[in-house]
Formats: sequence, structure tokens, C-alpha cells
Amino acid sequence: KNQVEQSPQSLIILEGKNCTLQCNYTVSPFSNLRWYKQDTGRGPVSLTIMTFSENTKSNGRYTATLDADTKQSSLHITASQLSDSASYICVVSVGGSYIPTFGRGTSLIVHP
Amino acid sequence: NAGVTQTPKFQVLKTGQSMTLQCAQDMNHNSMYWYRQDPGMGLRLIYYSASEGTTDKGEVPNGYNVSRLNKREFSLRLESAAPSQTSVYFCASSTTTTLNTEAFFGQGTRLTVV
Repeated sequence: KNQVEQSPQSLIILEGKNCTLQCNYTVSPFSNLRWYKQDTGRGPVSLTIMTFSENTKSNGRYTATLDADTKQSSLHITASQLSDSASYICVVSVGGSYIPTFGRGTSLIVHP
Repeated sequence: NAGVTQTPKFQVLKTGQSMTLQCAQDMNHNSMYWYRQDPGMGLRLIYYSASEGTTDKGEVPNGYNVSRLNKREFSLRLESAAPSQTSVYFCASSTTTTLNTEAFFGQGTRLTVV
């Protein structure tokens, strides 16, 4: 069964600090992996999309990495801001399927 | 800059009542999707429409029907609401269903069935 596991479930950090969120998946055959940011009460917004051949992709202060061999991805947030407080969702797509597998998300709270 | 618009934003139904959730996108996207999001679970695909005139079941289609009214609009209908359908529903759209394309989400409809 295709699964996406995210850790930690929740995280609290101080403004200005860095943090790293993890995503492990057991999806086959792998097509791509995306990270979404979901603010409270809003729909998810895409941060990055990575295919099998990409191992790093950045979007401003967000940097995603992908290790297709170990089936792991991470999202690194640099110099966190209060506006980074949100849920971060890892989504993996399976080759040949229109149904992606969503992780449960990591809830990040940034305190001043 | 409307993007994907969902109506209503909130709804309370009694068990057995029916209703239709509306979704419209103004980005000229071919593909549209309906998801539900429950506490402690990832988003799950209910139905999708790869292009105007086509619809297909997703991961959790039971209890729902959809209509792709035209290229812009994709509605989700609950014929006989059940408490298990209490959830937040998200509509999304993308240029195609090609797996590397980005999906854009609406703001969600919070549905409570009592």
C-alpha cells in the first residue's frame, strides 16, 4: 500500500531559527513529490515539485531535498518568520495513477 | 485573481439532507478535483475530472456524485448526507492531469452533518 509518513507531527520554533521537516514514502512507481503549505482555514499552496531526477529544489527560504534511493524527502526552512506558521504537507504521485498520496502534514508554529 | 472559488464556505446539514458544493476556476484549467480533509488524515481524492465531459472516481467516492458542468465548473453532490461526511472539502484545478503539473486549491467548504 502506498504510504507517506511525515515527521514530526508538530514543531514549535522561535522566529529566525531554521527547521527541517521530514517525509518518508513507500510509493511505487514514483513519479514526483510535492510539498504544500496550508495556512489555517485555507487551501494548500504548492511550494516545490520534484521529479525522480531532481534532488534539490528551492523556493525562497524553502529548500526541498529528495533521496529517491532511500525514499526520503526533507523541507528545510531558513530564518523562519511568523508567517511560516502553517501545516506542511508532503504529497507523492504514483506513475500511471491520477490519485496522489498525501501525508498527514507537520504543523509548524513559529513564536516571536 | 480569483483562482478557484468554492461555495458555500460553511454548511450545516441534517442527516439525510442533500446539497451541492459548487466550484469554479478562472484559470482555463482542463482538470478539476474534489478532495476531503479530515483531522489527523491526509487529503483524500473523492472524484476528478481530467477534462470537460469526463469524470472518474478517486480514492473515496462512495456517497458522492459529481458534475463537470463546463470547463470552469465542477460540482460535488451529497444525495443523502451522513455524519461520516462531516469534513472540509477542497476543490482544486490544474492545467492537465499530467503528474508534474501544479494543482491550485480553493479555500474549502467546512461541512457539518448532524
